[in-house]
Amino acid sequence: DAGVIQSPRHEVTEMGQEVTLRCKPISGHNSLFWYRQTMMRGLELLIYFNNNVPIDDSGMPEDRFSAKMPNASFSTLKIQPSEPRDSAVYFCASSLVGGGSPLHFGNGTRLTVT
Amino acid sequence: SQELEQSPQSLIVQEGKNLTINCTSSKTLYGLYWYKQKYGEGLIFLMMLQKGGEEKSHEKITAKLDEKKQQSSLHITASQPSHAGIYLCGAALTSGTYKYIFGTGTRLKVLA
Repeated sequence: DAGVIQSPRHEVTEMGQEVTLRCKPISGHNSLFWYRQTMMRGLELLIYFNNNVPIDDSGMPEDRFSAKMPNASFSTLKIQPSEPRDSAVYFCASSLVGGGSPLHFGNGTRLTVT
Repeated sequence: SQELEQSPQSLIVQEGKNLTINCTSSKTLYGLYWYKQKYGEGLIFLMMLQKGGEEKSHEKITAKLDEKKQQSSLHITASQPSHAGIYLCGAALTSGTYKYIFGTGTRLKVLA
């Protein structure tokens, strides 16, 4: 099992640019989560999907953030336009919810917006 | 998340010492997870507790969930440098949802 795969591992961009983060969940998992981690706020849940459908996006900070899951094996988190305060590590996690499965996390994308 | 409080925020112990990390909420915890994170890496699953009073152990790490399901503790016996890292607890605060939130973490350093 390859685990949850995120890309890119590092992203440096200028303020105002569009940023797209990608995630491939573990095959067979039915739920996918996007988290953001900063020193100040810790690990925050942004949005989660169940069977490719967004269930709760109340953690998405602003309309500049959007997430999609077009199929069971791929999800994106997009920030447009990006701002310096978006700098953080973004984690994707997947799980087989309902089966007592833990969340399996990817290695994260470290985003720096200058 | 402030809904899940972890204490202490940081901990420095001498190798061989025991230590305890706490995770507390004013709400009922559903599906309490413990994870470990090393700098620059993802979160590694340690244990999951679901029932009040449940206790699980793996190697030298023991996790407990109290009867009311509002507090969990993680205990490390005879700590080693390999135990160093950030420990996070996570849980859903509403039954039937999978909205897992996490505490702010406990940074552990073990001195050799």
